[in-house]
Amino acid sequence: RKEVEQDPGPFNVPEGATVAFNCTYSNSASQSFFWYRQDCRKEPKLLMSVYSSGNEDGRFTAQLNRASQYISLLIRDSKLSDSATYLCVVTISGAGSYQLTFGKGTKLSVIP
Amino acid sequence: NAGVTQTPKFRILKIGQSMTLQCAQDMNHNYMYWYRQDPGMGLKLIYYSVGAGITDKGEVPNGYNVSRSTTEDFPLRLELAAPSQTSVYFCASRLTSGGTGELFFGEGSRLTVL
Repeated sequence: RKEVEQDPGPFNVPEGATVAFNCTYSNSASQSFFWYRQDCRKEPKLLMSVYSSGNEDGRFTAQLNRASQYISLLIRDSKLSDSATYLCVVTISGAGSYQLTFGKGTKLSVIP
Repeated sequence: NAGVTQTPKFRILKIGQSMTLQCAQDMNHNYMYWYRQDPGMGLKLIYYSVGAGITDKGEVPNGYNVSRSTTEDFPLRLELAAPSQTSVYFCASRLTSGGTGELFFGEGSRLTVL
């Protein structure tokens, strides 16, 4: 089982739609969780951290389920500008905390 | 605010040539990383550093070397370039190792080995 797995893309959704991505991680010692966004041919940028109680940032909601070892990202009222690849990132505390493990990403295309 | 600066942005190498990808950050971050990203794949960690003078291997270190003589700079050396090293290379830095420390990336260096 890969360390971090994401929904296979691409997701093609119309403007205004709600879309959700899931990400599963294999190491139960994982401590920190993030969603990064990567535009085509650009560098990844932090979208949001994921907290145990779940958190929201405008149209974006992130959830963490430690028991099932997955995190999710929900995007409401999709905009054309949301088109990008979304990367799930997991870190492990302790000796391995210097490293972050990235998923392969889920590509989202928002269609007019 | 420059953030993380990588040079060059593009480079074509012949098999067997060597080169250095430069990375500099002006945020006084202790932790620096080099990743490679192949098409349709996730980022793979090549090397990382937790401070000046300290480096360690990541997931895919073969064919690469790094040094960290200052907090600001973290160059990546490719020795005897091979076609398998054709990729996009990202340098990144963060202030802390855990918690919510954001990882800041450079714009990437696109390398083609022919």
